[in-house]
Amino acid sequence: NAGVMQNPRHLVRRRGQEARLRCSPMKGHSHVYWYRQLPEEGLKFMVYLQKENIIDESGMPKERFSAEFPKEGPSILRIQQVVRGDSAAYFCASSPSMGNTEAFFGQGTRLTVV
Amino acid sequence: AQSVAQPEDQVNVAEGNPLTVKCTYSVSGNPYLFWYVQYPNRGLQFLLKYITGDNLVKGSYGFEAEFNKSQTSFHLKKPSALVSDSALYFCAVRVNTGGFKTIFGAGTRLFVKA
Repeated sequence: NAGVMQNPRHLVRRRGQEARLRCSPMKGHSHVYWYRQLPEEGLKFMVYLQKENIIDESGMPKERFSAEFPKEGPSILRIQQVVRGDSAAYFCASSPSMGNTEAFFGQGTRLTVV
Repeated sequence: AQSVAQPEDQVNVAEGNPLTVKCTYSVSGNPYLFWYVQYPNRGLQFLLKYITGDNLVKGSYGFEAEFNKSQTSFHLKKPSALVSDSALYFCAVRVNTGGFKTIFGAGTRLFVKA
């Protein structure tokens, strides 16, 4: 059973470009979470999705950021018109629906905006 | 607001000595508590969790954690630290926001000196 798969592992974008980060959850997991980690900082919750639904996006910036988890295919975190402050590690996690289970994390995508 | 706090940015301990990494939480209802570890340039790895039952929970790599309801704490412990335990440790709580999401503390960096 493969773990949570994120790609790419490293992504370099110029200011103003778009960044697309992909996350394939573990098999059987229907819940996906995205977190951002700035250098030397903790994990900040961004968004929580189930298939075709956004459950909680309280941590998403109001502009330029969007996320989806379609019926088929991976979850996508999309950042439009990137700025240098978007440079960070973005982690995806997945879990089954039960509340008492741990979330499993991917290796992360390290976004660098130049 | 539901939250989790790690009061120490950094913990230093000599190899072979016991270690404690502190965590306190604030949630409504019964808490689901977790500890994760992050090694450099890696994703988070699950260590252990408390759902219900025995207050002392044993996890991976010889770690354990003690749930204390009256003090709303969930401190991570290990009887004898190893240099290889040096990493970033995150305490987390799972909260119900119409589905379950995980909220993380700011993290505590553990340095184990030989």
